[in-house]
Amino acid sequence: DTEVTQTPKHLVMGMTNKKSLKCEQHMGHRAMYWYKQKAKKPPELMFVYSYEKLSINESVPSRFSPECPNSSLLNLHLHALQPEDSALYLCASSPGTVGYEQYFGPGTRLTVT
Amino acid sequence: DQQVKQNSPSLSVQEGRISILNCDYTNSMFDYFLWYKKYPAEGPTFLISISSIKDKNEDGRFTVFLNKSAKHLSLHIVPSQPGDSAVYFCAAMNTGTASKLTFGTGTRLQVTL
Repeated sequence: DTEVTQTPKHLVMGMTNKKSLKCEQHMGHRAMYWYKQKAKKPPELMFVYSYEKLSINESVPSRFSPECPNSSLLNLHLHALQPEDSALYLCASSPGTVGYEQYFGPGTRLTVT
Repeated sequence: DQQVKQNSPSLSVQEGRISILNCDYTNSMFDYFLWYKKYPAEGPTFLISISSIKDKNEDGRFTVFLNKSAKHLSLHIVPSQPGDSAVYFCAAMNTGTASKLTFGTGTRLQVTL
């Protein structure tokens, strides 16, 4: 089973809302990632969690707050977003953090109004 | 600063023929390379990878070639099938430092009947 699940599939939120994106994997992977993808662009790394600890933050604004409650779950808390934050948010996982392929979820299409 | 480049934004190939997708990179520290396929509204799907200690890796209809001196890799799909129509991203990683994947800009492959 190489499945990474993400909820919700679509999300529309206002600039003053607080919402969360969820990601889950049951492959026993120890690394999990958040990526952001704008239309016609490649995915851009936001955060990496390794063994439930934040190991990489790619200078992401604080209105995005990641959380890894356990080795299977990854959340991305959203607050006071801007319209330019509208994008496809992808979660991925890999067995470890070095030299392994990453398996992606289907993404959450976020629209900020 | 685009460290991974896919200079062909699109490619059209007849069913049954060979599809060749190209990727160039500039960072000599990259030592692990991956290809992903992406359908609209879905997350990227891992296809095949290659370590810099190899120059070829094959998996069914997919073969990846790596030319380290030219900093160039290619994905060959033989024979091409209509279901292969998608956007293909190459990605690169420096396994000595972190798990960050750097993606190319993507090539849209269309396999025609």
